[in-house]
Amino acid sequence: GDSVTQTEGLVTVTEGLPVKLNCTYQTTYLTIAFFWYVQYLNEAPQVLLKSSTDNKRTEHQGFHATLHKSSSSFHLQKSSAQLSDSALYYCALSNYAQGLTFGLGTRVSVFP
Amino acid sequence: EAAVTQSPRSKVAVTGGKVTLSCHQTNNHDYMYWYRQDTGHGLRLIHYSYVADSTEKGDIPDGYKASRPSQENFSLILELASLSQTAVYFCASSGANSDYTFGSGTRLLVI
Repeated sequence: GDSVTQTEGLVTVTEGLPVKLNCTYQTTYLTIAFFWYVQYLNEAPQVLLKSSTDNKRTEHQGFHATLHKSSSSFHLQKSSAQLSDSALYYCALSNYAQGLTFGLGTRVSVFP
Repeated sequence: EAAVTQSPRSKVAVTGGKVTLSCHQTNNHDYMYWYRQDTGHGLRLIHYSYVADSTEKGDIPDGYKASRPSQENFSLILELASLSQTAVYFCASSGANSDYTFGSGTRLLVI
């Protein structure tokens, strides 16, 4: 089956500095799309980025990610972290009909 | 506005009791899903459905049943609740374009 690996369980960063969250995947099915979800405390996950195109940079709310099928990666980056970015981030992939497969999540804590 | 509504928002259940979590969507989506979230495990798929009156097992179906009586409604049933089923449960729906809408979640505590 499909799997998503997020290597960092917790990332701490100082406000204003860059942050990068790693995501790699394995899939045996035709994967339709790749996602980054963000989840704030006591809320539902909400989509941050979505991509289906190889080697195309996708941006939203200051975050960006590029899908690289050659390395099976979809890393998330932001050049300047904000206090409001503190949250739980999930990398996920979607294949036809079987829903989303999530990584274990990376908690980001931004400190002043 | 299209939405996914879960009920109840939270529940305390007794070990061995029956629990039903409900989900209603107004997105006109064919696909519906139930996920559970646990610290350290992320979100895992329990059951899903792509058409009314049919359900499929996800990655962790043991101890859970699902029911899809209509396109709009999808229930998750715990026939004999156990302590290990304490978690947050999310329902989601999706259409053909892989845009997912999540409900607000149900926080279940089994004691």
